[in-house]
Amino acid sequence: DIVMTQGALPNPVPSGESASITCQSSKSLLHSNGKTYLNWYLQRPGQSPQLLIYWMSTRASGVSDRFSGSGSGTDFTLKISSVEAEDVGVYYCQQFLEYPLTFGSGTKLEIK
Amino acid sequence: EVQLVESGGGLVQPGASLKLSCVASGFTFSDYWMSWVRQTPGKTMEWIGDIKYDGSYTNYAPSLKNRFTISRDNAKSTLYLQMSNVRSEDTATYYCTKLVPYYFDYWGQGVMVTVSS
Repeated sequence: DIVMTQGALPNPVPSGESASITCQSSKSLLHSNGKTYLNWYLQRPGQSPQLLIYWMSTRASGVSDRFSGSGSGTDFTLKISSVEAEDVGVYYCQQFLEYPLTFGSGTKLEIK
Repeated sequence: EVQLVESGGGLVQPGASLKLSCVASGFTFSDYWMSWVRQTPGKTMEWIGDIKYDGSYTNYAPSLKNRFTISRDNAKSTLYLQMSNVRSEDTATYYCTKLVPYYFDYWGQGVMVTVSS
């Protein structure tokens, strides 16, 4: 199975500052078609997860451009520029390269 | 507006069976692969499996494939998860998700399952 490892944030993050969440996969998520099958989701308190970024760097519809995804085949970063109160929650990375599909353990973001 | 509404959860005894349902609306259900994902009380996310748009093919997490079965009724726009011989470690919130290649673009609100005697 592909193991997804997420880093922690130095919480709480001051409002207006940027925050970067890291995710590492145990295998390259770069497909032969050139796409990298790494997705990011946000779970706000008391809510179900919602899609933020797919294929490593494409923002989902309606997602603020304060969110951006980048990376290589195995190392990925979700950057939130100028964090706001609504960004509070747990962020999960997830790989869709191969079965079984796997998630990272989540990274909690708190705002000061 | 896409909606996924799960039901069928609750308290169940170890060794029993339980069937979860997910009614979909706001999109053409029969055009999409669907999936189940669960979240443990400790917030770990685990993919359970998925099913092809016509119901002809399924994939499962290896650790669950002998006890869990995913099916669908496209006429009713409904996805199912049949759980058998449940264990305490199956205690979780179960989410129905819509799939597009290759990500979960919509999630239901989730349904809680508690396995306890």
